Amino acid sequence: ETVLTQSPGTLSLSPGDTATLSCRASQSVTNNYLAWYQQKPGQAPRLLIHGASSRAPGIPDRVSGSGSGTDFTLTISRLEPEDFAVYYCQQYGRSPRYSFGQGTKVEIK
Amino acid sequence: EEQLVESGGGLVQPGGSLRLSCAGSGFTFGNCEMIWVRQAPGKGLEWVAFISGGGNSIDHADSVKGRFTISRDNAKNFLYLQLRDLKPEDTAVYYCATSGPFIPAFDAFDIWGQGTMVLVSS
Repeated sequence: ETVLTQSPGTLSLSPGDTATLSCRASQSVTNNYLAWYQQKPGQAPRLLIHGASSRAPGIPDRVSGSGSGTDFTLTISRLEPEDFAVYYCQQYGRSPRYSFGQGTKVEIK
Repeated sequence: EEQLVESGGGLVQPGGSLRLSCAGSGFTFGNCEMIWVRQAPGKGLEWVAFISGGGNSIDHADSVKGRFTISRDNAKNFLYLQLRDLKPEDTAVYYCATSGPFIPAFDAFDIWGQGTMVLVSS
């Protein structure tokens, strides 16, 4: 079973800062099928990154994903007020077919 | 515009049943693999079930296996989730989701419904 562990649980930053979020898998993620989502209260998740590093349409280039195998990172540069939210990583594999990390909250310091 | 709209949530007693529906529009529904994801109040996202475009391949999370069943009707552009033997820990917002044309492997999901709330309580 592939378990995703995100860190930190909460990130307290100011607008203009850079957010660095980590997602570690308990075993290698198939074909680096690792995605990142942003979720705001009362809203459905919004896809940011898929395939570890490919931005979804409409996502600004200050949002980037990197990593491979078991260690992945989401970086958001020049934080804007709308970036303060909860972020989840998600993998696609065999067992289970999909799983999510527990989330990282990026809050205003 | 691609759109998913869930319905069918509500209050149900423990041990009860419910069927959730998800209507798709603005895309070729039958070509798309689809999933259900749930989120308990104040908690994270949990994948629940998967179904292939033709409906011949399905998969459920261990936490719901034997109690929940995913299905679809491509003629009507509807996805379903049948929930049985419901437990209080099944209380959550249930989302349906699929992938747009730039994610052909269906490894990530960029089209989501607004969610429907299921509350299991006596």
